[in-house]
Amino acid sequence: DAKTTQPNSMESNEEEPVHLPCNHSTISGTDYIHWYRQLPSQGPEYVIHGLTSNVNNRMASLAIAEDRKSSTLILHRATLRDAAVYYCILRDGETGANNLFFGTGTRLTVIP
Amino acid sequence: ETGVTQTPRHLVMGMTNKKSLKCEQHLGHNAMYWYKQSAKKPLELMFVYSLEERVENNSVPSRFSPECPNSSHLFLHLHTLQPEDSALYLCASSPSQGGFGNTEAFFGQGTRLTVV
Repeated sequence: DAKTTQPNSMESNEEEPVHLPCNHSTISGTDYIHWYRQLPSQGPEYVIHGLTSNVNNRMASLAIAEDRKSSTLILHRATLRDAAVYYCILRDGETGANNLFFGTGTRLTVIP
Repeated sequence: ETGVTQTPRHLVMGMTNKKSLKCEQHLGHNAMYWYKQSAKKPLELMFVYSLEERVENNSVPSRFSPECPNSSHLFLHLHTLQPEDSALYLCASSPSQGGFGNTEAFFGQGTRLTVV
């Protein structure tokens, strides 16, 4: 399974944008880039995913580099409820179900 | 509420006990997963079932025994556990339309297990 690299932790002020980076230099052409987050004492929660083009949804935006070797999750206005561990994961679109591996993620602290 | 329900939410068991964790989803998903999350550690993928067949077993000790009787239910049977098995056990499910890579996974709230 292709690996991703994320900073261990980041801080953001409340109501400011947050850019969470992820490097995936060994990404293959069929890998989708997924982001999940885990709030304290809860299971992980899907945030967004994409293949090549930038993606937007109600939670966040995903900016994918042209060479696909890195991506950035963008929270447009951080709130205290966004404090969580954010995971960047690659899922192969062609293989079966057994490719949902989590790394250590980035712990986001939101400062009031 | 994600549509994936785990019971019980909390469980305390002795090392000689036998217990089972239950996971249920009625989302029509084809794949179901068991994860273990120990304190301060990443999620560890334990087992994966696709269309009720086990497709992944990540070197999990035999004291953990999964069972997938149908596409909506997943169990994790526990016996003769050790204190180091105390952790949050998470269940997830995902669909396969268009390939698993292009679908999102839904997680339950987890079972907090304490082995004494």
